[in-house]
Amino acid sequence: DAGVIQSPRHEVTEMGQEVTLRCKPISGHNSLFWYRQTMMRGLELLIYFNNNVPIDDSGMPEDRFSAKMPNASFSTLKIQPSEPRDSAVYFCASSRTSGGPQETQYFGPGTRLLVL
Amino acid sequence: KQEVTQIPAALSVPEGENLVLNCSFTDSAIYNLQWFRQDPGKGLTSLLLIQSSQREQTSGRLNASLDKSSGRSTLYIAASQPGDSATYLCAVTLISSGSARQLTFGSGTQLTVLP
Repeated sequence: DAGVIQSPRHEVTEMGQEVTLRCKPISGHNSLFWYRQTMMRGLELLIYFNNNVPIDDSGMPEDRFSAKMPNASFSTLKIQPSEPRDSAVYFCASSRTSGGPQETQYFGPGTRLLVL
Repeated sequence: KQEVTQIPAALSVPEGENLVLNCSFTDSAIYNLQWFRQDPGKGLTSLLLIQSSQREQTSGRLNASLDKSSGRSTLYIAASQPGDSATYLCAVTLISSGSARQLTFGSGTQLTVLP
């Protein structure tokens, strides 16, 4: 299994530009999560999908952030316009949701975003 | 709101020592608790998952315990090795608000095992 795939691995952009982060979950997993990690705030859940439907987006910081999951094998997190404070590592994770307490999430390697 | 705290923030030990990492959480209504490992520049890898009905889980040199009533978990690493050097994160899965799959993470303990 290839694991969760994220692209790009690194992104450097200028303030005001649009940034699109991509994620391919593990095949057969039906839940997908986007997290952001910073030194100040640690790991925070931004949004998660179940069966391609957004379930909880309460962690999305602002309207500048949007996420989509058009099918079971692909998701995007878009920031438009980007700001320096968006600089962070963005992780995607997936899981096979059974509703039981034994579920675990599998994380991708992350995208390191730097907004200048 | 669930808060997860990890102490210490950083720990440095000589190779071969046994060590304990601590995690505390404020809301005992959890589905499970997990310990993750994060290597620099990498994603997170799940090490151990303890269901709310369980007291501990073991995997090799790792043993994790859970005491829901006191809101505490420990990760015990036996005979530490330099390869154990990483950041260890504790995370709980909430059952409140129907978001049973939402993980709340602690800030992590950065472990360095010196050869």
